[in-house]
Amino acid sequence: EADIYQTPRYLVIGTGKKITLECSQTMGHDKMYWYQQDPGMELHLIHYSYGVNSTEKGDLSSESTVSRIRTEHFPLTLESARPSHTSQYLCASFTGAQSSYEQYFGPGTRLTVT
Amino acid sequence: QKEVEQNSGPLSVPEGAIASLNCTYSDRGSQSFFWYRQYSGKSPELIMSIYSNGDKEDGRFTAQLNKASQYVSLLIRDSQPSDSATYLCAVGGGSARQLTFGSGTQLTVLP
Repeated sequence: EADIYQTPRYLVIGTGKKITLECSQTMGHDKMYWYQQDPGMELHLIHYSYGVNSTEKGDLSSESTVSRIRTEHFPLTLESARPSHTSQYLCASFTGAQSSYEQYFGPGTRLTVT
Repeated sequence: QKEVEQNSGPLSVPEGAIASLNCTYSDRGSQSFFWYRQYSGKSPELIMSIYSNGDKEDGRFTAQLNKASQYVSLLIRDSQPSDSATYLCAVGGGSARQLTFGSGTQLTVLP
């Protein structure tokens, strides 16, 4: 069964704290992504990975880092949380070619920075 | 700056009608095109992908792509109240690299 997990689901944290958002998928998909989405707004790409030890920065990557040591695991770290980081964080996995794509999103982490 | 624009909503259609959702994009080099459905408070789910000009049908959904006009659309036939959601358009490079999302169109199907 295809599944993608994110923990924690909700997090309230103070300014300046270091936090790691966890994401794991069971499908063995090669590509994984982190997106940020505010209510009613588009998804913005933070980081992505095309495989183990392969990571690239998206539009909103400047204050965060990711790692991809294992295919199934793609954690996102905010080194110093700020109120501007308050948002919904979505992890996604992706595989396939033009004739057949598969993509799954995790349930998201709702982050509030006070 | 790559841009993806979707027709402003909200869009309301009666049950059984055809819902038409539109999307334009700025990057002529785009090669992959996607439609997602997002229910309120939930994560997006991929419903259609298309990469060549023309139509692609999957059940009640038809995606249409016109690269010359930089336009992609989604038609939902026999719309159901359960289709009420926000529909997101995303555009990317080859192998779905670096997808850029539109802000979405909210669709309401009235019983």
